[in-house]
Amino acid sequence: EVQLVESGGGFVQPGGSLRLSCTASGFTFSDYEMNWVRQAPGKGLEWISYINKNGGNINYADSVKGRFTISRDDAKNSLYLQMNSLRAEDTAVYYCAREFWYLDNWGQGTLVTVSS
Amino acid sequence: EIVLTQSPATLSLSPGERATLSCRASQSVTTYLAWYQQKPGQGPRLLIYQASKRATGIPARFSGSGSGTDFTLTISSLEPEDFAIYYCQHRQDWPALTFGGGTKVEIK
Repeated sequence: EVQLVESGGGFVQPGGSLRLSCTASGFTFSDYEMNWVRQAPGKGLEWISYINKNGGNINYADSVKGRFTISRDDAKNSLYLQMNSLRAEDTAVYYCAREFWYLDNWGQGTLVTVSS
Repeated sequence: EIVLTQSPATLSLSPGERATLSCRASQSVTTYLAWYQQKPGQGPRLLIYQASKRATGIPARFSGSGSGTDFTLTISSLEPEDFAIYYCQHRQDWPALTFGGGTKVEIK
């Protein structure tokens, strides 16, 4: 069974940093592209970052470009999102999602709250 | 930039009824369109891809149609577990993804 489990969320002050992790199981992690998608409280889905299979192709939404960094460690079956210079508008549930043309498997999400 | 507009925002129906959800793109997306279902406290689940193909394990009561700018997700007979929020999605400038604003299907 495919499983994606996010962790690392929490409460942080504006300007602070957090590192999210997504641990994959039930499939060969290195064979898949991965994405991060977030959802602000009571709002819709917002794609924020993509990484290809070997980590050589990375892309970000304009809203996080220059502040967030996506990475992966295939040996650990893990995807990461380093979030710096956090703002109140980054408050959201963050999901990792496996991609096979479409986002065919998602985690349950981890909540990030940015507030003073 | 392609914008996906979903309607209605909320659909109030009873179990057993037919649900018809719309997703309109601001310009043609051919058939590169997906539908996702999200229940409270859960991550989204892929229902339909390439406008009309059911994802693995999705019941036959879910169907997708359309091409170009107008797409429809139909649930032929609502089951209690189908009351949720539904999102359409397109990839306009690879690899960036765009989602519609969602349609909430609620129990009448």
